Formats: sequence, C-alpha cells, structure tokens
Amino acid sequence: EAQVTQNPRYLITVTGKKLTVTCSQNMNHEYMSWYRQDPGLGLRQIYYSMNVEVTDKGDVPEGYKVSRKEKRNFPLILESPSPNQTSLYFCASSANRGGSTEAFFGQGTRLTVV
Amino acid sequence: SQQGEEDPQALSIQEGENATMNCSYKTSINNLQWYRQNSGRGLVHLILIRSNEREKHSGRLRVTLDTSKKSSSLLITASRAADTASYFCATDAYNTDKLIFGTGTRLQVFP
Repeated sequence: EAQVTQNPRYLITVTGKKLTVTCSQNMNHEYMSWYRQDPGLGLRQIYYSMNVEVTDKGDVPEGYKVSRKEKRNFPLILESPSPNQTSLYFCASSANRGGSTEAFFGQGTRLTVV
Repeated sequence: SQQGEEDPQALSIQEGENATMNCSYKTSINNLQWYRQNSGRGLVHLILIRSNEREKHSGRLRVTLDTSKKSSSLLITASRAADTASYFCATDAYNTDKLIFGTGTRLQVFP
C-alpha cells in the first residue's frame, strides 16, 4: 500500500530538548516536504526536498532542520524546540516537483512544547 | 506567504444540497489542486487542474479554473454527511518548486 508514515503521532516535550520527527515514503517519490498547520493559518511549508541531498527552505523554516540522505526518508529536526513550535506537522511526498502531481500526506504529528 | 485564500471560511448545508467553495491566488500558476482533510488527519488529494484547463470533473466533484481572475471553485454536488471536512486549494507558482496551501473552507453537512 502506498503510504507516507510519520512518527510519532503525538509528542509532548519541554523547551530546548532536541527532537526528531521521522517521515518515510514507499513510493519512490523524489519530492518530499514538511508542513505545519495552525488554526486560521492553514498549512505552511517548512522545508522541501527535490531529491537526495537537495533541500530548500519553505515559508517558515526558522527553528527547523531537515536532511535527505536516502530517497525514502525525510526527517524533521527541532534542535531547540520552543512553545511557538507547538503545532500539527505533516510530511508529504509526490512523484514530481511542486504541484505538478498529487501529494500524499502522512497522518500528522501533533507536537506540544511546554 | 499564503498563495491561496478560500472563501467562505465555513459553510453549513443540508444533505443533498450542493456546496461551492472558492479559491483565489496571487501569482501565475502551473497547476491548482484541491485537497480534503478530515478533522486533524492527513490531507487527501481530490483533483488537479492544470493552468491550460478550465474545468474538470471527478465523480460528484467539479472544479473550474479562471486564470484571468486567478481563481478556482470546487463544487460538490448532492452532498452527504460524509463530505463534512475541511477543503484546501493548493497552487504551484511559476518558477518555484513549492506547493502552497490556502487557509481552507470548513464544510459541515447536516443529515
């Protein structure tokens, strides 16, 4: 079954404690991205990657890091989480860049930073 | 920056009625997509329309695109309670590799 898998689904952490949210896709997609979703603001893109070792900033990259060492994995790293990073996070993948093909989304990670 | 803005923000209708949601965007695009999201869950792709297309159908969904007005509409005909969800448009602008989402329309369909 084609899918994008994020882990964990729920996470509560304290300010400053580094964390990683994993994302894996089994569709051999080249394009992967991370979004955060906040009430009234819709989905905002954090980072995206067009292929292995190729990543670029989205609209809200501050406080986040990503890596793309393998095609299937695209982890999101918060080096020093702060309360304003409390949000619902989604990983997505698509066969081609940008919006030229449909994106497949993970189930989301609800992060709370206290 | 938000590329798409959906209108209305919220919509409540009875089962069997049609639901129309609109999306406006700011810059020229290559493609426009519509997605559905059930409460707190991942988004599911509904339909993609390219900038050289004006209308597209998929089951009970009809999407139109007017590039001169930089707007799109999603029509759901004969709505069902199961259509209750948030609906988002997403665009990719010329010369970018980003897929930018709007703020969404919350649709409530009452049985």
